[in-house]
Amino acid sequence: AQRVTQPEKLLSVFKGAPVELKCNYSYSGSPELFWYVQYSRQRLQLLLRHISRESIKGFTADLNKGETSFHLKKPFAQEEDSAMYYCALLANSNSGYALNFGKGTSLLVTP
Amino acid sequence: DTGVSQDPRHKITKRGQNVTFRCDPISEHNRLYWYRQTLGQGPEFLTYFQNEAQLEKSRLLSDRFSAERPKGSFSTLEIQRTEQGDSAMYLCASSFSKEQYFGPGTRLTVT
Repeated sequence: AQRVTQPEKLLSVFKGAPVELKCNYSYSGSPELFWYVQYSRQRLQLLLRHISRESIKGFTADLNKGETSFHLKKPFAQEEDSAMYYCALLANSNSGYALNFGKGTSLLVTP
Repeated sequence: DTGVSQDPRHKITKRGQNVTFRCDPISEHNRLYWYRQTLGQGPEFLTYFQNEAQLEKSRLLSDRFSAERPKGSFSTLEIQRTEQGDSAMYLCASSFSKEQYFGPGTRLTVT
């Protein structure tokens, strides 16, 4: 069964502190993972895709197949990073690449 | 083209009424997805179109739900005989590859 787990509903950090948003997955095939972000009153938008291995807004995420994890990290959090973050797993075959989302983690960066 | 659009943004209806939502994808995108999101959850896949063909439906999509994409462009999602449990945010996304772009959603409240 495919499953995405984000164990923290809420994560609060101070501005300038490192932040790590956890994501674990279960999938029998070769996983393809994404991070989506939703800022207040905005639509869901793609933040990172593991295949691209790029850094967006200072965030990075590495796929660890041994630990089945895809944690999102940023060395120095900014107040504008406060948002809802969703980890998502791409489900292949009949679903035409439908996304399987975790429940999300709300990140709050305080001054 | 300013991205995926959805109409209406909000809908309040009485239990037992029928409702219809519309999604206009990004014009060159051949894939269109519908998701549902309830409070405290990530988006859950409902159904998927490639061009005008509906290729996959989730078990979440009961017989009261129907979706169409008649000309491979915009899509409609209809819920018949609405129930209070249908209250949720209904999200539409479109893609040309594996990266999905989301609309702002339609928030349905069933009273």
